[in-house]
Amino acid sequence: NAGVTQTPKFRILKIGQSMTLQCTQDMNHNYMYWYRQDPGMGLKLIYYSVGAGITDKGEVPNGYNVSRSTTEDFPLRLELAAPSQTSVYFCASSLARAEEQYFGPGTRLTVT
Amino acid sequence: AQKVTQAQTEISVVEKEDVTLDCVYETRDTTYYLFWYKQPPSGELVFLIRRNSFDEQNEISGRYSWNFQKSTSSFNFTITASQVVDSAVYFCALSDPHNNNDMRFGAGTRLTVKP
Repeated sequence: NAGVTQTPKFRILKIGQSMTLQCTQDMNHNYMYWYRQDPGMGLKLIYYSVGAGITDKGEVPNGYNVSRSTTEDFPLRLELAAPSQTSVYFCASSLARAEEQYFGPGTRLTVT
Repeated sequence: AQKVTQAQTEISVVEKEDVTLDCVYETRDTTYYLFWYKQPPSGELVFLIRRNSFDEQNEISGRYSWNFQKSTSSFNFTITASQVVDSAVYFCALSDPHNNNDMRFGAGTRLTVKP
């Protein structure tokens, strides 16, 4: 099993550009999550999904969108990138809501 | 309101020393879950432990041990005989129904173990 994979690993965006961060898991987990980690801080939940076709906002959803068309994939879309979105983004999945989460390797995004 | 507090921002020890990382949490629920994750310099997050609120037994796994005390809302993590490979950022996290069981992370403690 590859676990949770994320692409790309690094990306530099200009202000106003858009991009999609890809996340795929092969563990057949229903629950998937997107977090951001700012320097010296813990992770904050952006969006989550409890299954294909169902998504909901987390603590910091503004400026982002997600979709969940399959169990495996949970892409995160950034529209009109802003410097405040410079961060490391982690995707995670879990078998159930309060269970251990398995994290991807992260995507380091810089918006200049 | 912050749910998880890790008051120690950075800790530095010399190899073979014991070190305790503190975690204090806040929740209104009687059923909740506490976690510790390790983030080594490579950046990925590694799961260490999950504990539910009804199990106050201390846990030991090799050089790692956890002390869960509901009376003080704390879930502290001790590394015995620390090694250089233990150098990482350690996160404590809380999952409770009041917040849809979303995992709320503390700010992390950066542990440096010097040879």
